[in-house]
Amino acid sequence: GQQVMQIPQYQHVQEGEDFTTYCNSSTTLSNIQWYKQRPGGHPVFLIQLVKSGEVKKQKRLTFQFGEAKKNSSLHITATQTTDVGTYFCAGRGGSNYKLTFGKGTLLTVNP
Amino acid sequence: NAGVTQTPKFRVLKTGQSMTLLCAQDMNHEYMYWYRQDPGMGLRLIHYSVGEGTTAKGEVPDGYNVSRLKKQNFLLGLESAAPSQTSVYFCASSTVGNQPQHFGDGTRLSIL
Repeated sequence: GQQVMQIPQYQHVQEGEDFTTYCNSSTTLSNIQWYKQRPGGHPVFLIQLVKSGEVKKQKRLTFQFGEAKKNSSLHITATQTTDVGTYFCAGRGGSNYKLTFGKGTLLTVNP
Repeated sequence: NAGVTQTPKFRVLKTGQSMTLLCAQDMNHEYMYWYRQDPGMGLRLIHYSVGEGTTAKGEVPDGYNVSRLKKQNFLLGLESAAPSQTSVYFCASSTVGNQPQHFGDGTRLSIL
């Protein structure tokens, strides 16, 4: 079955440093979504990427979808304490209704 | 606008007991999903529904049953709870299958 691997599992940074999490799929994806989950909270949708090589930005967050549509990344520039949480990628293959979630990257930020 | 509402928020069960988790959405979404979240395991799909009266198995369906009698409700049942089912359960919904999912606040279930 489809597998989505996400690294690193944990990342601790000083406030102001950059952060990147990477997502790799065992199969070609039709699209990929990113979610953020604050400690004790629920996942919240951030963005969806559909096109090969697509790059989208949301303020300090930059999302990329690989040319082969098998990998993706989320980069945060100049982290803030409000960025703390677990970031999940979730991929969908073909006409599959289901999302396969990566295990997430837990980001902690030292003020 | 409540979005996705899960009840109860917390529950402690004894092994062998049964219970039903309720998920209700007020966004008129067609698709609904049940996930479980365990430390270091991410979100794993238990069952999902693509419309009223339909259900399908996800990645980890064993030990669970679901029903979608009304479009706005998706019920998750545990017939005979086991300690391995201790987890946080999230319900989600989406307009169609390739659209963003909206999650409820979760149900924290402990089975002793």
